[in-house]
Amino acid sequence: GQNIDQPTEMTATEGAIVQINCTYQTSGFNGLFWYQQHAGEAPTFLSYNVLDGLEEKGRFSSFLSRSKGYSYLLLKELQMKDSASYLCAVREEDSNYQLIWGAGTKLIIKP
Amino acid sequence: DVKVTQSSRYLVKRTGEKVFLECVQDMDHENMFWYRQDPGLGLRLIYFSYDVKMKEKGDIPEGYSVSREKKERFSLILESASTNQTSMYLCAGHDGSNQPQHFGDGTRLSIL
Repeated sequence: GQNIDQPTEMTATEGAIVQINCTYQTSGFNGLFWYQQHAGEAPTFLSYNVLDGLEEKGRFSSFLSRSKGYSYLLLKELQMKDSASYLCAVREEDSNYQLIWGAGTKLIIKP
Repeated sequence: DVKVTQSSRYLVKRTGEKVFLECVQDMDHENMFWYRQDPGLGLRLIYFSYDVKMKEKGDIPEGYSVSREKKERFSLILESASTNQTSMYLCAGHDGSNQPQHFGDGTRLSIL
C-alpha cells in the first residue's frame, strides 16, 4: 500500500542545522516534493527530487535515495521564521500528477 | 507569477446548509485539486479535474461534489454540510508537467 512517514515534531536551535527525514512506500515513483507550511497558511513549494542525490537551494537542501525509499530535507543556519510544518509528498508513476502526502513534521526553533 | 485564489479565508455555516467553496487560477492550468487538511493527517484529496467539465474522485469524495464550467474556476460543493466537514480546505493548480502544485491561501470552514 501507499505510505509516507515523517516525524511528527522536531525541535532545533536558532543558527543550528536540522535534518527532517521522509520514508515512502508507493506504487512506483515519479518524483518527491518538499513543501513548507506556516501555521494557518497554505503550503509553499521548497524542492523537487526525481533522481538520486542532493539538490541545494540556499540554506535548504533535499536528498533522495530511490532504492531506499528515503528523502531528507536539510535546513542550515536556522532562523526563527523557519518554524513551520514541512510536508513530504510523492508522485507515483501513472498517477496523473496526483500526490501522496505525509502528515508533515512540525519544526520548532528555539532561541 | 503563479496565482491561485480562494474566495474566503474563513467561513462559518450551519449543519444541513449547501456550501460553495470557490477557487480561481490565472495560470491557464489544466489540473486543479481540492484537498482537506486536518490535524495529524496529511492532505487528503477530495476531487480533482483535468479539464473543463471533467472531474475525478479522490480519496474522500463522500459528501462533496465539484464543478468546473470554466478552465480557471474549480468549485467545491458540500451538498448538506455536517460537523465532520469542519476543516481547512485547500485548492491547488498544476500545469501538467513536473512542476509543483501551487496552492491557494486555504479556507478554514466551520460547520456549527
